[in-house]
Amino acid sequence: GQQLNQSPQSMFIQEGEDVSMNCTSSSIFNTWLWYKQDPGEGPVLLIALYKAGELTSNGRLTAQFGITRKDSFLNISASIPSDVGIYFCAGQPYKADRGSTLGRLYFGRGTQLTVWP
Amino acid sequence: DVKVTQSSRYLVKRTGEKVFLECVQDMDHENMFWYRQDPGLGLRLIYFSYDVKMKEKGDIPEGYSVSREKKERFSLILESASTNQTSMYLCASSLNSGVQPQHFGDGTRLSIL
Repeated sequence: GQQLNQSPQSMFIQEGEDVSMNCTSSSIFNTWLWYKQDPGEGPVLLIALYKAGELTSNGRLTAQFGITRKDSFLNISASIPSDVGIYFCAGQPYKADRGSTLGRLYFGRGTQLTVWP
Repeated sequence: DVKVTQSSRYLVKRTGEKVFLECVQDMDHENMFWYRQDPGLGLRLIYFSYDVKMKEKGDIPEGYSVSREKKERFSLILESASTNQTSMYLCASSLNSGVQPQHFGDGTRLSIL
Protein backbone atom coordinates (compact mmCIF):
# COMPACT_ATOMS: atom_id res chain seq x y z
CA GLY A 1 0.00 0.00 0.00
CA GLN A 2 0.89 3.67 -0.09
CA GLN A 3 3.46 4.93 2.39
CA LEU A 4 3.16 8.40 3.90
CA ASN A 5 6.20 9.76 5.70
CA GLN A 6 5.21 12.20 8.42
CA SER A 7 7.75 14.22 10.36
CA PRO A 8 8.72 14.98 12.94
CA GLN A 9 7.61 11.99 14.98
CA SER A 10 7.37 14.14 18.11
CA MET A 11 7.80 17.75 19.17
CA PHE A 12 8.28 19.38 22.55
CA ILE A 13 7.72 23.13 22.46
CA GLN A 14 7.08 26.11 24.70
CA GLU A 15 3.67 27.77 24.76
CA GLY A 16 3.60 30.60 22.23
CA GLU A 17 5.98 28.98 19.76
CA ASP A 18 5.03 28.14 16.19
CA VAL A 19 4.93 24.53 15.00
CA SER A 20 5.54 23.00 11.58
CA MET A 21 5.07 19.43 10.46
CA ASN A 22 4.94 17.81 7.06
CA CYS A 23 3.94 14.72 5.19
CA THR A 24 5.38 13.28 1.98
CA SER A 25 4.29 10.48 -0.30
CA SER A 26 6.02 8.46 -2.99
CA SER A 27 3.21 9.09 -5.46
CA ILE A 28 0.89 11.92 -6.44
CA PHE A 29 -2.09 12.55 -4.20
CA ASN A 30 -5.31 14.35 -5.12
CA THR A 31 -6.43 15.06 -1.57
CA TRP A 32 -4.65 15.83 1.69
CA LEU A 33 -6.32 15.88 5.09
CA TRP A 34 -5.04 16.80 8.53
CA TYR A 35 -6.52 15.30 11.70
CA LYS A 36 -5.90 15.86 15.41
CA GLN A 37 -6.38 13.21 18.07
CA ASP A 38 -6.78 14.24 21.69
CA PRO A 39 -5.80 11.68 24.33
CA GLY A 40 -8.46 8.98 24.69
CA GLU A 41 -10.51 10.15 21.72
CA GLY A 42 -10.81 9.53 18.00
CA PRO A 43 -9.14 11.72 15.34
CA VAL A 44 -11.01 14.88 14.38
CA LEU A 45 -10.69 16.53 10.97
CA LEU A 46 -8.88 19.88 11.07
CA ILE A 47 -8.33 20.84 7.44
CA ALA A 48 -9.06 19.31 4.03
CA LEU A 49 -7.10 20.25 0.87
CA TYR A 50 -8.27 19.33 -2.62
CA LYS A 51 -6.10 21.30 -5.03
CA ALA A 52 -2.34 21.53 -5.63
CA GLY A 53 -0.98 24.78 -4.17
CA GLU A 54 -4.07 25.31 -2.02
CA LEU A 55 -3.45 27.10 1.28
CA THR A 56 -6.21 26.80 3.88
CA SER A 57 -6.50 28.15 7.41
CA ASN A 58 -8.57 27.11 10.40
CA GLY A 59 -7.94 29.59 13.21
CA ARG A 60 -4.26 29.33 14.18
CA LEU A 61 -3.78 26.35 11.87
CA THR A 62 -2.66 26.65 8.26
CA ALA A 63 -2.14 23.77 5.86
CA GLN A 64 -0.85 23.63 2.32
CA PHE A 65 -1.21 21.15 -0.52
CA GLY A 66 2.26 20.95 -2.09
CA ILE A 67 2.74 21.96 -5.71
CA THR A 68 4.32 18.61 -6.54
CA ARG A 69 1.16 16.89 -5.16
CA LYS A 70 3.49 14.66 -3.15
CA ASP A 71 3.54 16.61 0.07
CA SER A 72 1.55 18.68 2.52
CA PHE A 73 2.42 20.94 5.45
CA LEU A 74 0.65 21.94 8.64
CA ASN A 75 1.62 24.98 10.67
CA ILE A 76 0.30 25.98 14.09
CA SER A 77 0.98 29.53 15.19
CA ALA A 78 1.29 30.73 18.78
CA SER A 79 0.77 27.29 20.32
CA ILE A 80 -1.30 26.85 23.50
CA PRO A 81 -1.51 23.91 25.93
CA SER A 82 -4.71 22.56 24.36
CA ASP A 83 -2.81 22.00 21.09
CA VAL A 84 -1.35 18.90 22.74
CA GLY A 85 -2.21 15.71 20.90
CA ILE A 86 -1.31 13.59 17.89
CA TYR A 87 -1.57 15.15 14.44
CA PHE A 88 -2.11 12.87 11.45
CA CYS A 89 -1.86 13.56 7.77
CA ALA A 90 -3.99 11.50 5.40
CA GLY A 91 -4.59 11.44 1.69
CA GLN A 92 -5.89 9.67 -1.37
CA PRO A 93 -3.61 8.84 -4.33
CA TYR A 94 -4.27 10.55 -7.67
CA LYS A 95 -4.12 7.35 -9.68
CA ALA A 96 -6.53 5.57 -7.42
CA ASP A 97 -6.08 1.85 -7.07
CA ARG A 98 -9.14 -0.29 -6.55
CA GLY A 99 -9.08 0.31 -2.84
CA SER A 100 -8.84 4.06 -3.22
CA THR A 101 -11.90 4.31 -5.42
CA LEU A 102 -13.85 3.06 -2.43
CA GLY A 103 -13.03 6.04 -0.23
CA ARG A 104 -9.92 4.60 1.35
CA LEU A 105 -7.42 7.05 2.85
CA TYR A 106 -3.76 6.47 3.67
CA PHE A 107 -2.42 7.84 6.96
CA GLY A 108 0.93 9.05 8.23
CA ARG A 109 2.20 7.68 11.55
CA GLY A 110 1.44 10.91 13.36
CA THR A 111 3.29 13.74 15.10
CA GLN A 112 3.00 13.78 18.89
CA LEU A 113 2.92 17.41 20.04
CA THR A 114 3.68 18.41 23.63
CA VAL A 115 3.32 22.04 24.69
CA TRP A 116 4.95 23.25 27.91
CA PRO A 117 3.26 26.18 29.67
CA ASP B 1 -22.73 16.80 12.88
CA VAL B 2 -21.71 13.29 11.95
CA LYS B 3 -21.90 10.88 14.83
CA VAL B 4 -19.93 7.65 14.83
CA THR B 5 -20.59 5.62 17.95
CA GLN B 6 -18.53 2.68 19.13
CA SER B 7 -20.31 0.42 21.57
CA SER B 8 -17.58 0.22 24.21
CA ARG B 9 -14.78 2.59 25.27
CA TYR B 10 -12.93 -0.13 27.18
CA LEU B 11 -13.13 -3.89 26.85
CA VAL B 12 -11.23 -6.73 28.52
CA LYS B 13 -11.42 -10.23 27.09
CA ARG B 14 -9.55 -13.49 27.42
CA THR B 15 -7.36 -15.30 24.92
CA GLY B 16 -9.43 -17.54 22.63
CA GLU B 17 -12.70 -15.66 23.11
CA LYS B 18 -14.74 -14.45 20.16
CA VAL B 19 -14.95 -10.67 20.44
CA PHE B 20 -17.42 -8.33 18.74
CA LEU B 21 -16.78 -4.59 18.34
CA GLU B 22 -19.75 -2.61 17.13
CA CYS B 23 -19.88 0.70 15.28
CA VAL B 24 -22.92 2.74 14.28
CA GLN B 25 -23.08 5.96 12.22
CA ASP B 26 -26.08 8.22 11.86
CA MET B 27 -25.31 10.08 8.62
CA ASP B 28 -26.27 7.51 5.99
CA HIS B 29 -22.62 7.08 4.93
CA GLU B 30 -21.89 4.36 2.41
CA ASN B 31 -18.29 3.73 3.48
CA MET B 32 -17.24 2.36 6.85
CA PHE B 33 -13.77 1.44 8.11
CA TRP B 34 -12.05 -0.37 10.96
CA TYR B 35 -8.52 0.60 12.04
CA ARG B 36 -6.25 -0.40 14.84
CA GLN B 37 -3.90 2.12 16.41
CA ASP B 38 -0.67 1.15 18.13
CA PRO B 39 2.04 3.50 19.48
CA GLY B 40 4.48 4.49 16.76
CA LEU B 41 2.56 2.65 14.04
CA GLY B 42 -0.23 5.11 13.37
CA LEU B 43 -3.58 3.92 12.01
CA ARG B 44 -3.59 0.62 10.18
CA LEU B 45 -6.60 -0.39 8.12
CA ILE B 46 -8.11 -3.78 8.98
CA TYR B 47 -11.23 -3.93 6.81
CA PHE B 48 -13.59 -1.55 5.09
CA SER B 49 -17.02 -1.69 3.50
CA TYR B 50 -18.53 0.46 0.75
CA ASP B 51 -22.04 -0.96 0.87
CA VAL B 52 -24.27 -3.30 2.80
CA LYS B 53 -22.92 -6.87 2.75
CA MET B 54 -19.77 -5.69 0.91
CA LYS B 55 -16.32 -5.83 2.46
CA GLU B 56 -12.73 -5.32 1.40
CA LYS B 57 -9.53 -6.34 3.17
CA GLY B 58 -7.26 -3.61 4.37
CA ASP B 59 -3.58 -3.96 5.23
CA ILE B 60 -3.86 -6.22 8.29
CA PRO B 61 -7.01 -8.40 8.01
CA GLU B 62 -5.51 -11.58 9.48
CA GLY B 63 -7.34 -12.71 12.61
CA TYR B 64 -10.32 -10.44 11.96
CA SER B 65 -13.60 -10.56 10.10
CA VAL B 66 -16.37 -8.01 9.60
CA SER B 67 -20.10 -7.85 9.10
CA ARG B 68 -22.26 -5.17 7.47
CA GLU B 69 -25.88 -6.27 7.51
CA LYS B 70 -27.29 -2.74 7.74
CA LYS B 71 -25.96 0.47 6.24
CA GLU B 72 -25.50 2.20 9.58
CA ARG B 73 -23.72 -0.63 11.39
CA PHE B 74 -20.29 -2.18 10.85
CA SER B 75 -19.05 -4.90 13.18
CA LEU B 76 -15.48 -6.08 13.70
CA ILE B 77 -15.06 -9.67 14.88
CA LEU B 78 -12.00 -11.22 16.47
CA GLU B 79 -12.61 -14.89 15.80
CA SER B 80 -10.25 -16.16 18.51
CA ALA B 81 -8.69 -13.30 20.42
CA SER B 82 -4.95 -13.31 21.00
CA THR B 83 -2.77 -11.08 23.17
CA ASN B 84 -1.23 -9.40 20.11
CA GLN B 85 -4.67 -8.01 19.29
CA THR B 86 -4.56 -5.81 22.38
CA SER B 87 -4.90 -2.35 20.87
CA MET B 88 -7.03 0.73 20.31
CA TYR B 89 -9.66 0.08 17.63
CA LEU B 90 -11.14 2.98 15.69
CA CYS B 91 -14.19 2.98 13.45
CA ALA B 92 -14.76 5.61 10.75
CA SER B 93 -17.32 6.42 8.06
CA SER B 94 -17.51 8.58 4.95
CA LEU B 95 -19.74 9.40 2.02
CA ASN B 96 -19.00 7.62 -1.23
CA SER B 97 -19.02 10.77 -3.36
CA GLY B 98 -15.73 12.09 -4.68
CA VAL B 99 -13.09 12.23 -1.98
CA GLN B 100 -14.76 12.67 1.36
CA PRO B 101 -13.08 12.96 4.77
CA GLN B 102 -13.56 10.10 7.18
CA HIS B 103 -15.27 10.75 10.51
CA PHE B 104 -14.09 8.74 13.49
CA GLY B 105 -15.62 7.30 16.63
CA ASP B 106 -13.89 7.69 19.99
CA GLY B 107 -12.32 4.26 19.85
CA THR B 108 -12.45 1.03 21.84
CA ARG B 109 -9.43 0.19 23.95
CA LEU B 110 -9.33 -3.61 23.89
CA SER B 111 -7.18 -5.67 26.22
CA ILE B 112 -6.75 -9.40 25.65
CA LEU B 113 -5.50 -11.25 28.73
